[in-house]
Amino acid sequence: GAVVSQHPSRVICKSGTSVKIECRSLDFQATTMFWYRQFPKQSLMLMATSNEGSKATYEQGVEKDKFLINHASLTLSTLTVTSAHPEDSSFYICSARSPQGLELFFGEGSRLTVL
Amino acid sequence: GENVEQHPSTLSVQEGDSAVIKCTYSDSASNYFPWYKQELGKRPQLIIDIRSNVGEKKDQRIAVTLNKTAKHFSLHITETQPEDSAVYFCAASGSGNTPLVFGKGTRLSVIA
Repeated sequence: GAVVSQHPSRVICKSGTSVKIECRSLDFQATTMFWYRQFPKQSLMLMATSNEGSKATYEQGVEKDKFLINHASLTLSTLTVTSAHPEDSSFYICSARSPQGLELFFGEGSRLTVL
Repeated sequence: GENVEQHPSTLSVQEGDSAVIKCTYSDSASNYFPWYKQELGKRPQLIIDIRSNVGEKKDQRIAVTLNKTAKHFSLHITETQPEDSAVYFCAASGSGNTPLVFGKGTRLSVIA
């Protein structure tokens, strides 16, 4: 199956700093990638849809100025959590659908801890 | 937009018994219904999926049924084993660039 890789897997930062998470499709081109957030013991909640070459589409309640998404190439999307606060601590997972099918492939996830 | 409901939120079964998890969805345009198993701190792992053009699919001890008229689909695990203990999520999406919408999850515990 297709491979999606995410980096870093874990990051700890101080409150007020920014953190960038990268998501790469390794063996296919992804014009669209999806970013999810998962708090402890909860489900995956869609944050935004990342579109190559254009602006991301954010879900209701997700601040676009706080969660900056850039999808500059067909294999890379980045999520930057700006001015992070402890309540932003969560598991962030990216995903992409290969051009051939309906299955969504997930990155390994990034656990963000904001102190 | 799509809304997926999942029940039960927790499920305990004896080893060897069957487990059934049920989901409903709201968007009649959805045509793809995967099920994921997630272990703590890891990405969701696809265990089985079903497209809207079939009503049932089976893979060894795992089966999924889909009723498009009623907009519900179910996961059936037979002969459960302790290693089946995990959190299971159902999801639904349409084709193209539509995202997956997840249910809230079911924590399955298989008691030896």
